[in-house]
Amino acid sequence: EAGVAQSPRYKIIEKRQSVAFWCNPISGHATLYWYQQILGQGPKLLIQFQNNGVVDDSQLPKDRFSAERLKGVDSTLKIQPAKLEDSAVYLCASSLVRAAPITGELFFGEGSRLTVL
Amino acid sequence: GENVEQHPSTLSVQEGDSAVIKCTYSDSASNYFPWYKQELGKRPQLIIDIRSNVGEKKDQRIAVTLNKTAKHFSLHITETQPEDSAVYFCAASVRGNNNDMRFGAGTRLTVKP
Repeated sequence: EAGVAQSPRYKIIEKRQSVAFWCNPISGHATLYWYQQILGQGPKLLIQFQNNGVVDDSQLPKDRFSAERLKGVDSTLKIQPAKLEDSAVYLCASSLVRAAPITGELFFGEGSRLTVL
Repeated sequence: GENVEQHPSTLSVQEGDSAVIKCTYSDSASNYFPWYKQELGKRPQLIIDIRSNVGEKKDQRIAVTLNKTAKHFSLHITETQPEDSAVYFCAASVRGNNNDMRFGAGTRLTVKP
């Protein structure tokens, strides 16, 4: 079974530039998540999609971050303009669970490591 | 909101010894507690989880215990092996929703051969 695919794996940009990350979840997984993992910290949820609708984006810095999941499959996360503190690994995850309150395993991608200079 | 604290941040043990990682959570409504293992440069992967209706769960060399009264849960690894070396993250989920899940800061476990 193919896992969660992410690209690019690494990206280096200067502050105020823009960057986009792509995620392809496991086939059939309705729920997709973007997490930010700063060095030495645990993953922090940025946004959660159920199919192509947003379930929770309360921790997404909406002045500079945006995300979409067209057609309920692939998703992109964009940062514009980037700040130094955005340097982190951006993890995409998907899960099979369709609705709360039942939780399920999160399947993570390898992550996209962003360095902002 | 939920706050998860994890200790220790680093742990070094000799091969064959046991390792224990502890987490505390703040919201008594939390009812789902997974543990993820992240090897260097790899993706986090679920290794074990526990729900609030049980106090302990075991899977071979790995066990998790939950104390709802004290609001803490622990990961126990017995007979550690070098391949157990990784960063381990605990998490807690309020109301059983994945979007409520909060992760601890992680514990870097090193198993010395």
